[in-house]
Amino acid sequence: NIVMTQSPKSMSISVGDRVTMNCKASQNVYNNIAWYQQKPGQSPKLLIYYASNRYNGVPDRFTGSGYGTDFTLTINSVQAEDAAFYYCQRIYNSPFTFGSGTKLEIK
Amino acid sequence: QVQLKESGPGLVQPSQTLSLTCTVSGFSLTSYNVHWVRQPPGKGLEWMGVIWSGGNTDYNSALKPRLSISRDTSKSQVFLTMNSLQTEDTGIYYCNRNAPLGGGFAYWGQGTLVTVSS
Repeated sequence: NIVMTQSPKSMSISVGDRVTMNCKASQNVYNNIAWYQQKPGQSPKLLIYYASNRYNGVPDRFTGSGYGTDFTLTINSVQAEDAAFYYCQRIYNSPFTFGSGTKLEIK
Repeated sequence: QVQLKESGPGLVQPSQTLSLTCTVSGFSLTSYNVHWVRQPPGKGLEWMGVIWSGGNTDYNSALKPRLSISRDTSKSQVFLTMNSLQTEDTGIYYCNRNAPLGGGFAYWGQGTLVTVSS
């Protein structure tokens, strides 16, 4: 079974900083990766699909990149409202495995 | 607009069977896949399984022995059944739908909390 490993587990960033978080797949998933944002008490929200495509209405400060086994989500000029958990997921084929998440805190 | 809503018992006794319903609107179950995802309290997301638009199913291998997903297209409902529940099955259960072209889970229900306890 495919394993998605996210790093770091948590990070604390100041407003206006740039943040990068990583997702590594245990096997080649091509560009079949999505990224989600989840805030406390809310359902996850789709940010990025097929590794680098921003979903409808997602601010352009969110950027996804990568191919094969290594993927990155970058948030440029972090805002206070970006405090959340971020999850990567293998998409398109079963199993649709999630990573364990990265917690982003704002200082 | 696209909507999904989970419903079911909030409390299930250990060793019993969980039955959840996902009622959808704004799209046809014969055109889109519907997935189930769960989240234990304070933990991450776990993909459970999918019923494809054609009616076939795929499951998380860890849950496959206990899990079944079915649907009633005439009622726009998807059903999750999981047996032999244990306390570690406690969590929020979400149904969701992929975006067009399969690009990620774009539409999520609000989730329903299931507590396994005697």
